[in-house]
Amino acid sequence: DTAVSQTPKYLVTQMGNDKSIKCEQNLGHDTMYWYKQDSKKFLKIMFSYNNKELIINETVPNRFSPKSPDKAHLNLHINSLELGDSAVYFCASSQSVGVTSGVNNEKLFFGSGTQLSVL
Amino acid sequence: AQKVTQAQTEISVVEKEDVTLDCVYETRDTTYYLFWYKQPPSGELVFLIRRNSFDEQNEISGRYSWNFQKSTSSFNFTITASQVVDSAVYFCALRVGDSSYKLIFGSGTRLLVRP
Repeated sequence: DTAVSQTPKYLVTQMGNDKSIKCEQNLGHDTMYWYKQDSKKFLKIMFSYNNKELIINETVPNRFSPKSPDKAHLNLHINSLELGDSAVYFCASSQSVGVTSGVNNEKLFFGSGTQLSVL
Repeated sequence: AQKVTQAQTEISVVEKEDVTLDCVYETRDTTYYLFWYKQPPSGELVFLIRRNSFDEQNEISGRYSWNFQKSTSSFNFTITASQVVDSAVYFCALRVGDSSYKLIFGSGTRLLVRP
């Protein structure tokens, strides 16, 4: 059983289209994240949800909209795709953070990534 | 400002060599956490270690060791007797504060271990 699974693995689409990436975790974690990794491997957080509540919203165009129907799912919808959106998008989850949570609770578990190519 | 710098973009070594990956961080907070993650060719990032700012003790786990030095704001990672399976991109990351969920990643160091 994959702990954090995201679909699709590859997504090739035209500029201007709308697309979604789905993410599910079966670890019982409270917190989920979306990260973007560009072609130079630079990894940056986009969003984070804790128990379905948005807690991190970095400077991301509002064409990107996360949705968390329940704490096991965090989907990413992208409107009006642009060439610059081409990247690998990683979903991740963790139980909690903080010095009292213990290192195991803070580990980020990543999905295998979705490679988005906008043509 | 909070920042993580991994100055080594790519390192190539021959199997069985020791290799050190550098990580320098910036933060004015006294409470922070440092991490290393490994991204093998398969793409999925894997957690390696977390160290908090109050614990400067170095850590060893098998062939891996980490040297945390607050005086130089560094958290370097050494692989002893490297193996081909160690080939990956390694990311150092910083989280500031006790309740923040935000990880700030460095740009990564690609390690290539040649047979």
